[in-house]
Amino acid sequence: QSVLTQPPSVSGAPGQRVTISCTGSSSNIGAGYGVHWYQQLPGAAPKVLIYGNNNRPSGVPDRFSGSKSGSSASLAITGLQAEDEADYYCHSYDSSLNSWVFGGGTKLTVL
Amino acid sequence: QVQLQQSGPGLVKPSQTLSLTCAISGDSVSSNSAAWNWLRQSPSRGLEWLGRTYYRSKWRSEYSVSVKSRISVNPDTSKNQFSLQLSSVTPEDTALYFCARGRDGYLDSWGQGTLVTVSP
Repeated sequence: QSVLTQPPSVSGAPGQRVTISCTGSSSNIGAGYGVHWYQQLPGAAPKVLIYGNNNRPSGVPDRFSGSKSGSSASLAITGLQAEDEADYYCHSYDSSLNSWVFGGGTKLTVL
Repeated sequence: QVQLQQSGPGLVKPSQTLSLTCAISGDSVSSNSAAWNWLRQSPSRGLEWLGRTYYRSKWRSEYSVSVKSRISVNPDTSKNQFSLQLSSVTPEDTALYFCARGRDGYLDSWGQGTLVTVSP
């Protein structure tokens, strides 16, 4: 059971918008710690998509955006493309565990 | 652009010590703004942070409580790399292991991953 909760799967057609939620608690996201998002393509290492709640590293398309409210965060992907099919993970810090924590991952299927 | 290259055995016997190395290019293990991390990923445990080492006037290491009694993460400044040692392994330690650079609270560069199987 992961400390951060994500839906196991989401799907959307090419061109559509999808969102992936990440629900935490008062000891992690709700405590004000930053939320980061990673994309993991099949057979590859995770790659950072969003850091510090809503910042994109250079090279990440602006189709990807992040937001945070209370103890939850979301990753939004607009203009869905076949190459977006991957697993997505959220990441934050938990003060009660004194450790980085991750969501269980969400598999995005592009229909 | 930083690159991390992992090396180490893919098969470890139960009760033995798992040892992996992560060689750094494009940055320094002694950097004052980075932390050098080990994580693992398995179907049963998901993505799990294990520990890190970093230099802030002196060397420091921090570990996950789940493995704290068995883990050691150490820098090697002469080779610009860092290592993971996990002792007394069991089949539950079978996983894909990653090294990664941490900056500003997130992981911005990752190694390629090493599948480690714990089996007789």
